[in-house]
Amino acid sequence: DTAVSQTPKYLVTQMGNDKSIKCEQNLGHDTMYWYKQDSKKFLKIMFSYNNKELIINETVPNRFSPKSPDKAHLNLHINSLELGDSAVYFCASSQRGVTDTQYFGPGTRLTVL
Amino acid sequence: GNSVTQMEGPVTLSEEAFLTINCTYTATGYPSLFWYVQYPGEGLQLLLKATKADDKGSNKGFEATYRKETTSFHLEKGSVQVSDSAVYFCALAGSARQLTFGSGTQLTVLP
Repeated sequence: DTAVSQTPKYLVTQMGNDKSIKCEQNLGHDTMYWYKQDSKKFLKIMFSYNNKELIINETVPNRFSPKSPDKAHLNLHINSLELGDSAVYFCASSQRGVTDTQYFGPGTRLTVL
Repeated sequence: GNSVTQMEGPVTLSEEAFLTINCTYTATGYPSLFWYVQYPGEGLQLLLKATKADDKGSNKGFEATYRKETTSFHLEKGSVQVSDSAVYFCALAGSARQLTFGSGTQLTVLP
């Protein structure tokens, strides 16, 4: 059973398009996260939700909008894609807060042409 | 603010060699410290953690000790294997409600 799943695994699209990445966790965790990993492997937190409430919203362009329909799902919608958005996006979850172990999904590699 | 400084990579070792990856941190209060590992093409997974000073985290032959006096959490393994080839991230959880990651260290183990 996959604990944290993401779809799609790969996403190739043109500049200016709008796309979404879906994330689901079956661990019963309260908190979910979105991270961006650049080509040098540097990880940056983008958003964090606790029980469907946004608790972290880092300095991210407002073209990025997270949505949490329920505690088990956290989706990421990106408008007007730019070349610089190309990266690997990871979803993660933890039982409660940040001191708990985070479980990561397999990642979505986004390529903007 | 919080920050984590990791030894720059890449690191290349022969099988059975001793591994050390240095990690130092800056934080207020008493953060929890973590090592996460990312195998090729996968997401990160927790390798080990320590929540207070002098705690030693250990897993799969890897160890790290939380040293408050030197603000360090160095990762060590006595004898690495080819299967340990991965990117290793040091991270801390402090007063902010987020993990702060180091820049990652790529390890390659040659047979």
